[in-house]
Amino acid sequence: QSALTQPASVSGSPGQSITISCTGTISDVGVYNYVSWYQQHPGKAPKLMIYEVSNRPSGVSNRFSGSKSGNTASLTISGLQAEDEADYYCSSYTSSSTVLFGGGTKLTVL
Amino acid sequence: EVQLVQSGAEVKKPGESLKISCKGSGYSFTSYWIGWVRQMPGKGLEWMGSIYPGDSDTRYSPSFQGQVTISADKSISTAYLQWSSLKASDTAMYYCARQLGYGVLDAFDIWGQGTMVTVSS
Repeated sequence: QSALTQPASVSGSPGQSITISCTGTISDVGVYNYVSWYQQHPGKAPKLMIYEVSNRPSGVSNRFSGSKSGNTASLTISGLQAEDEADYYCSSYTSSSTVLFGGGTKLTVL
Repeated sequence: EVQLVQSGAEVKKPGESLKISCKGSGYSFTSYWIGWVRQMPGKGLEWMGSIYPGDSDTRYSPSFQGQVTISADKSISTAYLQWSSLKASDTAMYYCARQLGYGVLDAFDIWGQGTMVTVSS
């Protein structure tokens, strides 16, 4: 099983919006709505930001949103802030009853 | 407060065995999957496997099947990850995390603080 495909890096200026893509296959992202997104700051444990494609856990800013089209899921961060600078990972449940993560995307706030 | 507390950092030699732990509190431990996630130095997240403490149903990533064993003791709300013979390539941070979902492995909503395992001769 190959990892889900994410861009290695994205960047944006404060106040702008950015989108991170996560491409899978018809065996994972394309067939299940069990896609989630995680934020990880250096030296910290990951934090759940979006679950089941577009749901935000309590306490997560509404600047974070998720969507899916076909085999590709996306995380959008609007009104970019310096504190959003981190690594972001997507994950999906698969038809093999396993979990796949994406390779991770480094977000730089310029 | 819902939390997962992991055992402390370990330094081991190649060939040695190791069992690290993850203790849950503040929720019904038997009602949620617990997953284990590896993060090698400077690298991304990799799912290793998950266990449902309620009935010990366990699923492994093909990449880790046969390399590690995941178990749980529901009487003390603790999940374990163990190796019988460590390799230098096992050097990594290991996270446990609670998973949503019952019949499916959904998102990891609560994470432990991580256990750093260093394997070096």
